[in-house]
Amino acid sequence: EAGVAQSPRYKIIEKRQSVAFWCNPISGHATLYWYQQILGQGPKLLIQFQNNGVVDDSQLPKDRFSAERLKGVDSTLKIQPAKLEDSAVYLCASSLMGQGVAGANVLTFGAGSRLTVL
Amino acid sequence: AQSVTQPDIHITVSEGASLELRCNYSYGATPYLFWYVQSPGQGLQLLLKYFSGDTLVQGIKGFEAEFKRSQSSFNLRKPSVHWSDAAEYFCAVHMNRDDKIIFGKGTRLHILP
Repeated sequence: EAGVAQSPRYKIIEKRQSVAFWCNPISGHATLYWYQQILGQGPKLLIQFQNNGVVDDSQLPKDRFSAERLKGVDSTLKIQPAKLEDSAVYLCASSLMGQGVAGANVLTFGAGSRLTVL
Repeated sequence: AQSVTQPDIHITVSEGASLELRCNYSYGATPYLFWYVQSPGQGLQLLLKYFSGDTLVQGIKGFEAEFKRSQSSFNLRKPSVHWSDAAEYFCAVHMNRDDKIIFGKGTRLHILP
């Protein structure tokens, strides 16, 4: 089966510019996650969707970050305006969480989008 | 507060030696437990998971982990490491009360030839 697709793989921008990342989860996975991984740290959950509804966005800096999953399939994460501290890898993952399937909480990750803010 | 602790930021072992990576969690109930591995430039890949039952679980690539409820630990082990095991390893827990999955800060494994 196809994995979780993310693009772009790399992006370099200047501070105060905007950037958008795209994610296409595994077909049939209702739950989609965006994680931020700063160098030397573990992934931090930014937002979790189930279908097109938000389950958790408590750690999303809503003054500059936004995310949507309009049709319950692919998702876009946007940062506007970017700050230096936003330099990180943005990981998208998907799972069968909430679908009543055994092992549904196993996450499948994409390769990530590496953002450098200058 | 719920948390996952990986006390070792870096570990270096010689090829062929045994390995143990530590993970402790703080949670009021028994969570679901995972180990993921991240090779350079790659996303995270599941190594193994513990949901219930036998507290010693086997994973891919010859890894195993043991859940110890009394110590709130889920340490990862491998009897003999290979150079290809050099990567970053993340412990994760699923707090099933609120469906949150949180990750430790990771342990970077270096292998000496």
